[in-house]
Amino acid sequence: GAGVSQSPSNKVTEKGKDVELRCDPISGHTALYWYRQRLGQGLEFLIYFQGNSAPDKSGLPSDRFSAERTGESVSTLTIQRTQQEDSAVYLCASRGQGYTEAFFGQGTRLTVV
Amino acid sequence: LAKTTQPISMDSYEGQEVNITCSHNNIATNDYITWYQQFPSQGPRFIIQGYKTKVTNEVASLFIPADRKSSTLSLPRVSLSDTAVYYCLVGDKFSGGYNKLIFGAGTRLAVHP
Repeated sequence: GAGVSQSPSNKVTEKGKDVELRCDPISGHTALYWYRQRLGQGLEFLIYFQGNSAPDKSGLPSDRFSAERTGESVSTLTIQRTQQEDSAVYLCASRGQGYTEAFFGQGTRLTVV
Repeated sequence: LAKTTQPISMDSYEGQEVNITCSHNNIATNDYITWYQQFPSQGPRFIIQGYKTKVTNEVASLFIPADRKSSTLSLPRVSLSDTAVYYCLVGDKFSGGYNKLIFGAGTRLAVHP
């Protein structure tokens, strides 16, 4: 596609439910990143993929968070048993090998009520 | 990864030049300096990247002294639309083909009429 696409754009869920957030990177981009951004805060690194592998999962806040990537394309961030503190915008970015610039999606705004 | 330090916020007026300085005392030999801009409700977007001396593009200039322990993003003649958060990142863009993109808190620039 022309850019990084994230879905849904907005998600309201009840505390305790599981949610899946999707990221479609730019075609051919082998690096993919997930971030969390709380209101008025900076970007909190969660995880990045090199191809379908995640060399660094150190940013995942707890074992309720997991992510996968298939076909060196789409990635899914799953949050199990959501808590109110999970409310944030979740941003995805992709980058081509050896290229400077990472391209971000518009994010998924998650609200846990 | 080299730690970066930026001012939390800055204020300016339309038509003025704005300089945002980032400190990165532990920058490594292979590290590049990259700046991103984030508008409200959007993902960050790449502005400029440099290794040493000066880099200029249609949006900004980046000044890097010889010791590379700091860098200055210069925005000429800012307008209201330059109100955004600006992030300085330092990392080896060639490391394993990909490097973690770690964003700090950024500098919140407010441009006033």
